[in-house]
Amino acid sequence: GAVVSQHPSWVICKSGTSVKIECRSLDFQATTMFWYRQFPKQSLMLMATSNEGSKATYEQGVEKDKFLINHASLTLSTLTVTSAHPEDSSFYICSARDRTERPTNEKLFFGSGTQLSVL
Amino acid sequence: GDSVTQMEGPVTLSEEAFLTINCTYTATGYPSLFWYVQYPGEGLQLLLKATKADDKGSNKGFEATYRKETTSFHLEKGSVQVSDSAVYFCALRSGGANSKLTFGKGITLSVRP
Repeated sequence: GAVVSQHPSWVICKSGTSVKIECRSLDFQATTMFWYRQFPKQSLMLMATSNEGSKATYEQGVEKDKFLINHASLTLSTLTVTSAHPEDSSFYICSARDRTERPTNEKLFFGSGTQLSVL
Repeated sequence: GDSVTQMEGPVTLSEEAFLTINCTYTATGYPSLFWYVQYPGEGLQLLLKATKADDKGSNKGFEATYRKETTSFHLEKGSVQVSDSAVYFCALRSGGANSKLTFGKGITLSVRP
């Protein structure tokens, strides 16, 4: 089946630094990718929807200047957490929709997630 | 707004035990309901789904029935295996085809031999 590679799987960084997380669709082209965040014992929350070649759409309450999303190609989307702080420590997950699939969000392929710890 | 509530975990069972994982939801209209599974080191995968009331989704021995009257979509399996050890997420999608998924917190299932 389709595979989405997310890298890194975990990262530790100092407060104030920026961290980039990559999400790649390995065997399909993804016109749309989604970024989620999950705090401990909380639900998986959609942060933003990333469309290839256009600006991402952010959910209410998510700071677009802090969480920079770039979807420059049909197989790669990146999430950059800028000036990270301890409260940004969380589990981040990406998902991608195959461009050949009809536009229903349940046919999504997920990355394995990135655990970010900000010291 | 939409929300999904899953029972608190983790859940530990012996192999061949019966499994029930509870899921209830709040949504406008008539949502589609899903169960996703995440095996260790892998991404979430769609396990099963139901798109209207009384529908039963099934896959890999797992079943869940869309109960509109109780706003529930409980996941069941008659006999679990060690390989079923994973994190299970209940989710819903309401609105149009391009509307977003709303997830529950997920629950970790561990099956011991």
